[in-house]
Amino acid sequence: EVRLLESGGGLVQPGGSLRLSCAASGFTFSSSAMNWVRQAPGKGLQWVSSISPRGDSTYYADSVKGRFTISRDNSKNTLYLQMNTLRAEDTAVFYCAKSSRSTYSVEMDYWGQGSLVTVSS
Amino acid sequence: SYELTQPLSVSVALGQTASITCGGNNIGNKNVHWYQQKPGQAPVLVIYKDTNRPSGIPERFSGSNSGNAATLTISRAQAGDEAAYYCQVWDSRSAHVFGTGTEVTVL
Repeated sequence: EVRLLESGGGLVQPGGSLRLSCAASGFTFSSSAMNWVRQAPGKGLQWVSSISPRGDSTYYADSVKGRFTISRDNSKNTLYLQMNTLRAEDTAVFYCAKSSRSTYSVEMDYWGQGSLVTVSS
Repeated sequence: SYELTQPLSVSVALGQTASITCGGNNIGNKNVHWYQQKPGQAPVLVIYKDTNRPSGIPERFSGSNSGNAATLTISRAQAGDEAAYYCQVWDSRSAHVFGTGTEVTVL
């Protein structure tokens, strides 16, 4: 059974930093591209970032480029999102999502339950 | 940037058919995926690459894609189908793009 478990969310002040983690199990993590998708309260889904299976290629939404960094540790089956210079508009539930294949331009077939990030003073 | 437009809400009578559109420039040339999200839950993939259902998704869910619009159709709607539905594509310039989302109400 595929499982994705996010952690690391919480309350942070504007300008602060936070690192999200996503522990994966039930599939060959090192063979799958991975993604972060967020959802602001009462809003729709917004793609944040994607990473290739080996971690050598990454993509970012313009709204987070230069502030967020996606990475992965295939030895630990874990995906990360380092978030710096956080803004109030970054407040959202952040989902970890698995791509169905090794390329990240495909559908996301499994999602975690999400981790809430609140940016407020 | 590439944009996908969906109706804000769709209502369907119990047992009838609901259609949710996803509009985008030449979307017929892209692979469209659909996700269902119930309140307080993570999204679930219900249709991928326009017309394909993942295992475990009822045959009542179907999709089509042509021209400037893709459509998700829910046949014989059930109370359990009430949810928000999002379309999604990959665009070479915008990467993953999600639609604005449609709330489906079963009357």
